[in-house]
Amino acid sequence: GENVEQHPSTLSVQEGDSAVIKCTYSDSASNYFPWYKQELGKRPQLIIDIRSNVGEKKDQRIAVTLNKTAKHFSLHITETQPEDSAVYFCAASGTASKLTFGTGTRLQVTL
Amino acid sequence: DAGVTQSPTHLIKTRGQHVTLRCSPISGHKSVSWYQQVLGQGPQFIFQYYEKEERGRGNFPDRFSARQFPNYSSELNVNALLLGDSALYLCASSSLAGGSYEQYFGPGTRLTVT
Repeated sequence: GENVEQHPSTLSVQEGDSAVIKCTYSDSASNYFPWYKQELGKRPQLIIDIRSNVGEKKDQRIAVTLNKTAKHFSLHITETQPEDSAVYFCAASGTASKLTFGTGTRLQVTL
Repeated sequence: DAGVTQSPTHLIKTRGQHVTLRCSPISGHKSVSWYQQVLGQGPQFIFQYYEKEERGRGNFPDRFSARQFPNYSSELNVNALLLGDSALYLCASSSLAGGSYEQYFGPGTRLTVT
């Protein structure tokens, strides 16, 4: 089955800096890669996703890149703000019905 | 327009008991998936239902079962509760079956087994 690895497990950046979170997946049939943000005690919130026919997607300060050959994808957050502090999860899905999640990255944005 | 709703919010049960968790998807969505999230980990897939049929099952024991109703709401049942079943149970709603469509999560039910 699919296996998703996520790094780093924790990330601390200063406000205004950029943050990058990286994930690798094992199943070459995976074709959908969403990212979720989960604040403490709250539901995972879909923030951006990318499909295998696209190499990069941007939404304001957030971007995701996908390298199908290397089977890895990354989340980029620019101009970080304190409200970006949360746990971020990457996930992958292919022919199966499920999303397979990474282990999460705790992002802390300090003033 | 209401998002995904789940009930109850919190639940405390004793080992060996049974629990039923409920989920209502976003209006117009026909697929519901259930995930278990243990503290400090990512969500783990349990089931997916679409049009009242099971479309996928994760690596969970037979103590876990689910069903979907004609109005697309869903129940997750867990029998013979173990301490290790303590977790946040998340329901996700999507318009179609499969994992390659946007899935939107409900607030979850936090289950504590003592």
